[in-house]
Amino acid sequence: DSGVTQTPKHLITATGQRVTLRCSPRSGDLSVYWYQQSLDQGLQFLIQYYNGEERAKGNILERFSAQQFPDLHSELNLSSLELGDSALYFCASSKKEGTEAFFGQGTRLTVV
Amino acid sequence: GNSVTQMEGPVTLSEEAFLTINCTYTATGYPSLFWYVQYPGEGLQLLLKATKADDKGSNKGFEATYRKETTSFHLEKGSVQVSDSAVYFCALSEFYMGGTSYGKLTFGQGTILTVHP
Repeated sequence: DSGVTQTPKHLITATGQRVTLRCSPRSGDLSVYWYQQSLDQGLQFLIQYYNGEERAKGNILERFSAQQFPDLHSELNLSSLELGDSALYFCASSKKEGTEAFFGQGTRLTVV
Repeated sequence: GNSVTQMEGPVTLSEEAFLTINCTYTATGYPSLFWYVQYPGEGLQLLLKATKADDKGSNKGFEATYRKETTSFHLEKGSVQVSDSAVYFCALSEFYMGGTSYGKLTFGQGTILTVHP
């Protein structure tokens, strides 16, 4: 158990819908990262927060947004979902930026 | 930008065979290097890390040495077990202020390892 909790584990939703994925980092970790894992793209960095502040953006679509709350948990919002958004979404946390990151079990999103 | 290249898989071995998975990287500065492992249906687990040149990371019989001169971080294990069957990811992380890298991980494409009894 990495100490990073992601909910839900599985989500099935229809095209055009909006979903929210939640991540609770390890106790004491200030940095949260979101990654998308798909068969064709591999593991892609989406966005990073540090102590509530957005720090870096990767290949994140405009339909996607995220935030980190004062209690340090983070949410990834995906809207106007398309079939191609089906993937595993991972959250990771680290104590400081640049140190090893610990991953949650992921949320498997299926868009039908 | 940063990139990581892993040897193409899948890799199939018999139990007790020697394992090498090659990994090379491109980075602008002095990254930290990692190997993560993903067992079926699970998230990524940190297997080992190295933070500077010539460091050797090791864990559970796996090891990898940070080679700056060849920009490589090859994963090795002397005797694999069936339980080592998984996907292995090489990754790097850089942190520098004022840029676009605040410690995010850049991953290789992953190597599927299957070990037969």
